Amino acid sequence: NAGVTQTPKFQVLKTGQSMTLQCAQDMNHNSMYWYRQDPGMGLRLIYYSASEGTTDKGEVPNGYNVSRLNKREFSLRLESAAPSQTSVYFCASSDEGPTYGYTFGSGTRLTVV
Amino acid sequence: GEDVEQSLFLSVREGDSSVINCTYTDSSSTYLYWYKQEPGAGLQLLTYIFSNMDMKQDQRLTVLLNKKDKHLSLRIADTQTGDSAIYFCAESLSGYSTLTFGKGTMLLVSP
Repeated sequence: NAGVTQTPKFQVLKTGQSMTLQCAQDMNHNSMYWYRQDPGMGLRLIYYSASEGTTDKGEVPNGYNVSRLNKREFSLRLESAAPSQTSVYFCASSDEGPTYGYTFGSGTRLTVV
Repeated sequence: GEDVEQSLFLSVREGDSSVINCTYTDSSSTYLYWYKQEPGAGLQLLTYIFSNMDMKQDQRLTVLLNKKDKHLSLRIADTQTGDSAIYFCAESLSGYSTLTFGKGTMLLVSP
């Protein structure tokens, strides 16, 4: 069972470079999310997509864009990376209702130098 | 607005019980969750509780909810070294809204 797959697992970028973090889920979930995790800050929601074709801003959307390509895939793009975007990025998905919570990917560790 | 607070660190000996505490501010919170994160991994759902419940037990895990004080706790009985991880409390206003996470409590279990 693959669950939620994130690529790449590690990435180093130079300030000003762009990149796209990929996320795919195989559980037929409607909702998908991008969080970032920073020491002492917990998880903060960047963007989410409640269903295919919709996206909404979370708590910290500045500097990011997202695309819900289809029901399976939800990508996160950094157009011009900044050192403040050094973080671990997690993608998650969920079905309607709370019973199963979110299923998380294993994360992408991004360093911007 | 939503805010979830947790203590940052807890250290226990193997075989003892661990109690991880969480407070939340939004009295409208309907669902409360506990997640576990092992080193280098994503978060895994441990358990959840509805706001109309006071307690939920699942094997070694006991969740207690005090709605009046907006306090949630996770008790792990017979704590093992494999329980060493970061534990996150999370809340949502409904089953269909996004989750707000606390900053996480690092549990260290020593032999």
